[in-house]
Amino acid sequence: EVQLQESGPSLVKPSQTLSLTCSVTGDSITSGYWNWIRKFPGNKLEYMGYISYSGGTYYNPSLKSRISITRDTSRTQYYLQLSSVTTEDTATYYCARFLWGVFAYWGQGTLVTVSA
Amino acid sequence: DILLTQSPAILSVSPGDRVSFSCRASQNIGTNIHWYQQRTNGSPRLLIKYASESISGIPSRFSGSGSGTDFTLSINSVESEDIADYYCQQSNSWPTTFGAGTKLELK
Repeated sequence: EVQLQESGPSLVKPSQTLSLTCSVTGDSITSGYWNWIRKFPGNKLEYMGYISYSGGTYYNPSLKSRISITRDTSRTQYYLQLSSVTTEDTATYYCARFLWGVFAYWGQGTLVTVSA
Repeated sequence: DILLTQSPAILSVSPGDRVSFSCRASQNIGTNIHWYQQRTNGSPRLLIKYASESISGIPSRFSGSGSGTDFTLSINSVESEDIADYYCQQSNSWPTTFGAGTKLELK
């Protein structure tokens, strides 16, 4: 069974870079599309972007200048970096596997708070 | 971006009730709509894909319908474990977007 697990700092200071890792078991990240999605405190869900089986990326245009998604296929991990964060980036961050056109598998989520 | 409007924001139900959640898209998206359930402290779980296609492991009391701009998720007979937030998501065009959710609560 595919399992995803997010990890990273729970607290980031304003203007710094938020960095998260998604560790995948039960699947290869050299197939399919591997995503980041966040949920704000008011419950709004925002799609952030993906890294594909070939290493290609897509980013939500709303984030395009600040986001980077990379991967390490040998570790079956992929990563999120979000630069110049503000308090508005406080959210629960999820990694998710895209399959059949839907987000079929999700991590448990990790809360990241942006605060001085 | 395609805007998805979910209504109502909150639904109050009793066990055994039949309930329906609405999701309206800002433009025609065919049947490229999917539904997720998120319980408190849980991750979203896929319930229905492509408007009406069932998902393995999801109880048969969940069903979906609609096409174009208007979509509905129904629960035939609500159980206490169904208390959660419900979201629709469109995959018709990028970026994919989610509705704001409907909260299902017990009366």
